[in-house]
Amino acid sequence: SQQGEEDPQALSIQEGENATMNCSYKTSINNLQWYRQNSGRGLVHLILIRSNEREKHSGRLRVTLDTSKKSSSLLITASRAADTASYFCATNVKGGSQGNLIFGKGTKLSVKP
Amino acid sequence: GAGVSQTPSNKVTEKGKYVELRCDPISGHTALYWYRQSLGQGPEFLIYFQGTGAADDSGLPNDRFFAVRPEGSVSTLKIQRTERGDSAVYLCASSPPGGTYNEQFFGPGTRLTVL
Repeated sequence: SQQGEEDPQALSIQEGENATMNCSYKTSINNLQWYRQNSGRGLVHLILIRSNEREKHSGRLRVTLDTSKKSSSLLITASRAADTASYFCATNVKGGSQGNLIFGKGTKLSVKP
Repeated sequence: GAGVSQTPSNKVTEKGKYVELRCDPISGHTALYWYRQSLGQGPEFLIYFQGTGAADDSGLPNDRFFAVRPEGSVSTLKIQRTERGDSAVYLCASSPPGGTYNEQFFGPGTRLTVL
């Protein structure tokens, strides 16, 4: 079953611009995580935001969480060509097992040099 | 240190055959997870181990799929009587002990192709 859904499905920007990706989910969560995936292989964890947090920063990344709207956004500032990848949000559903991360379909980001 | 490793990186098999996919988690990580990812989709949860036991196997699609972790470290995902629809990238991840709902560290995956 799909919980998270990213928007847009694809995003193309120029180097130096900011990229914003959104994620909506359906049921109450314990936390929401963002992952990056290059070339359809292993995922890299970017940031985890807990349900009682509203905003988190990590380097050029800023994540917000609005539990009333069941949505999150990932902002990448001053993008670089190396940021080209697919970005996924993933949720730990409240009442679910801690191991069961439910992923969305992802946003494919292309940063042109 | 070494990350999660998965072998083989690619596996091509024929419909009806049996396959085993191996995952070596990060040393000291007690939790281990299996996901599979089809083209253009996000990873889909299969099973989660805490130590040697399967804490949640609700994602296994049917009884052709089975996973073990006998010593609480390496895990093997076993697929019997493979079908073309099993073709996907199978991802393994692990997490350190302590805390709950932690980030997961993923391996590079095994690309399974069933002909």
